[in-house]
This record gives sequence, structure tokens and C-alpha cells, in this order.
Amino acid sequence: KAGVTQTPRYLIKTRGQQVTLSCSPISGHRSVSWYQQTPGQGLQFLFEYFSETQRNKGNFPGRFSGRQFSNSRSEMNVSTLELGDSALYLCASKQGASGNTIYFGEGSWLTVV
Amino acid sequence: TQLLEQSPQFLSIQEGENLTVYCNSSSVFSSLQWYRQEPGEGPVLLVTVVTGGEVKKLKRLTFQFGDARKDSSLHITAAQPGDTGLYLCAGAEGAQKLVFGQGTRLTINP
Repeated sequence: KAGVTQTPRYLIKTRGQQVTLSCSPISGHRSVSWYQQTPGQGLQFLFEYFSETQRNKGNFPGRFSGRQFSNSRSEMNVSTLELGDSALYLCASKQGASGNTIYFGEGSWLTVV
Repeated sequence: TQLLEQSPQFLSIQEGENLTVYCNSSSVFSSLQWYRQEPGEGPVLLVTVVTGGEVKKLKRLTFQFGDARKDSSLHITAAQPGDTGLYLCAGAEGAQKLVFGQGTRLTINP
């Protein structure tokens, strides 16, 4: 079955703009989590959604937000982009609310100029 | 805050050599996962270990979960250039979010 699909794969934005990234989980998976990966900080947890509800949230400013739809697809939004937001944004899914094994998509590369 | 420390951070060895990567924490984890990530791609799950002392083998890769479920190791036998990548360990306590180590960047030279 298809894996986790993220779009777009690459994008360039200007400081101050906002961006929306999309994630389609593995079919049947209802939990979606988002991570930011940078060379300096590694993989950092942003938030997790299950059945359209945010279950966990990482230590990121309010400019970072997300949502999940009834079909389990998820989007994350970053407003008022800063240069430091340049990163690989990874989405991961798992089947249920419990269990810790997650499966990643290929990521969305965001460059802020 | 749970922390996972991986060592070494960088490792460059010749093809055919053996190596071990470590993942350590002061916290107890209900499970621990190892991922490999290649440049420009997302991490790919290699293995999940659940039981203290558990050993799992994946071809030339051997994963071990510590008896106290606070640490793990990844041993690669006869490394090949295709093993090159960023190796990440991730653990969680109960249903909490996964915590990732900083990763070990492995380079296997032909």
C-alpha cells in the first residue's frame, strides 16, 4: 500500500510569508505527527493529531499550527516565516492512538529567503 | 524531559569493517526504534525493539535493547557503501511523543 505522501516536496518562500504543507497518511492510519529537521537541532517534534484532535504539541511558537481532516489527511501551517524556519518538514503516521512505531514521508523542503 | 544521546555523531570507515552505534538515555522506554535516513529523504524504519535484552537481526545489522530498556545499540558487520546514511534512534515512554537522538552520520568508503 502507498506510504506517507507529502506535498509539496520543495518550496521557497520569502520572510514574512506563510506556508501550508500537506500530508496524506498510510491508508488506515489515523494518527499523524509532524517534525522539523535541521542540521543543528536534529528532529524536533511539532505536533500530533488523532481523529482530528491535537494530542501532543512540541515547543514551537504559535506561528506553527496544524489540523487534521476527517479522512486523516493533515496540514501544517507556518505564518510570518523567518529565515530560521528553513528546514525539512517531515510527516509521519501510525495506525492507532497507541503504539510508538511511526512511518515517515519523504518530507517537504522549505527554504525561506 | 527525555533525552537520547547517540554516539558517535560521525563515523567514517572502510568497506568491510564492523561498527557499533550507541543510543543512551537515563529514561526507561517502552519501545525503541531505529531509522536510517538518506540525503533528501525521510527516515525509514529499520526495527522496533520492545523487550529488555531483546536482540533483532536484519541481515548484517544487529539491534539490541538494553536489559533496563534505557539504551540500545546497532552493530553492522562487514559494512558496505549502501549502509551510508544518518542513523536515528527514537524512544517513547508509554503513549508520549517519540524522542529522537541527534543521529549518527555513517560513511562507508569503498
